[in-house]
Parts: sequence; C-alpha cells; structure tokens
Amino acid sequence: ETGVTQSPTHLIKTRGQQVTLRCSSQSGHNTVSWYQQALGQGPQFIFQYYREEENGRGNFPPRFSGLQFPNYSSELNVNALELDDSALYLCASSSGQLRDTEAFFGQGTRLTVV
Amino acid sequence: RKEVEQDPGPFNVPEGATVAFNCTYSNSASQSFFWYRQDCRKEPKLLMSVYSSGNEDGRFTAQLNRASQYISLLIRDSKLSDSATYLCVVNNAGNMLTFGGGTRLMVKP
Repeated sequence: ETGVTQSPTHLIKTRGQQVTLRCSSQSGHNTVSWYQQALGQGPQFIFQYYREEENGRGNFPPRFSGLQFPNYSSELNVNALELDDSALYLCASSSGQLRDTEAFFGQGTRLTVV
Repeated sequence: RKEVEQDPGPFNVPEGATVAFNCTYSNSASQSFFWYRQDCRKEPKLLMSVYSSGNEDGRFTAQLNRASQYISLLIRDSKLSDSATYLCVVNNAGNMLTFGGGTRLMVKP
C-alpha cells in the first residue's frame, strides 16, 4: 500500500454533469499530481499542486480544475463532462519537487461518462 | 509525435525467456527516467529508475542513452508474474511525469 487514497473508486456520470474526485496524499508529501489514463493508453499529466498552489499544467482545458488543502489532500473537478472524459484518474503524491523523488500513486478513480 | 514512444506489443514470451523493451523520448532536456509497471486495472508502480551508467535490480536491467534519447529495459528469466504493462516515464521537471503508452508483456507457461 502506498498510503495514497482516492475516492470514490468508481463513478458513473451523465454527459454535461460535474464531478469531484478526491485524493489523500501520503504522510509527509506536499505535492500532488493528477493524471488521466484512457483505456489502452499511458497516463497523461493534468496538473500538479505544490503547497496549495497549481504548479504546472498539462494540455487539458479549463473545465479541469483542482484544489489542494492545507493538509495537502487534493480535489480534481471536471465540469461539463464529455464522453471522452471516461478514464481512470490517478493521483500521485511526492515530497517537494525533487527530481528523483518517487511519486506514489493511488489506486485511481474509474469515471464512466454516459 | 508523442514525447515518449514505446512499442505497445503485446510481447508473448515463454517462461524463462529474456525480453527487452525500448523507449524513445523527444525532449533532450529531460532530467530523469523511470520504468513503471502497471497490472491490469491497477495503479502504476515504480519498477526502477534509469541511469546513464545502467542499473540492475535482480532480473531487471535498465539503461539510458542520452545521446540517442533511448531507454531500455531487459528482463531475464521471465516469470508468469512479470505479465503486466511496462510504462516508460520521463520526468522533465518537478515530478510532472510524461508516460509512454506502455508495452504489454504476457509470459506464458
């Protein structure tokens, strides 16, 4: 077990709805990154939060947004859901921004948009 | 062109075989490199970091060639339990990881 927990584990939403996914980082980690993994593909970087600030963003539209809280847990919000948003959403926690610090992944939230 | 490219496979090999995976990356400023393993419907887990000097962990050997922007993973004496998807990962800055599409390995009895 990595100590990174995500909730919920599975979710079904309707196109156009909004969704919030949650991630609790490993104890002592202040950086959380979110990834989207479509079926049969590698994870794609959405954004990263470091000490409650967005620290970097991948090629995702503004309807993907996030938050990080003082305890370093994090939320990913997706508005106006589209069918192509169906994917496994992974969060990874790490300590600071050291290049070689291992990133630990949660088990993911599997989102299905119908 | 994708930033990190891998042959998707699948590689079907018998137990005991040696198998090699390759990966290329396009950003010459990339800073660190990894192989992750992902089992079906599970999260990715770090298998090993990759260094220019090469590194070995038991049956697994990883190698980085910065000049060619090429990363490899060699698995010797394959086990059934090695069946998984192997993800080549590049860290350009601050743990914002770029993943390849993964290479699927199936080890058969």
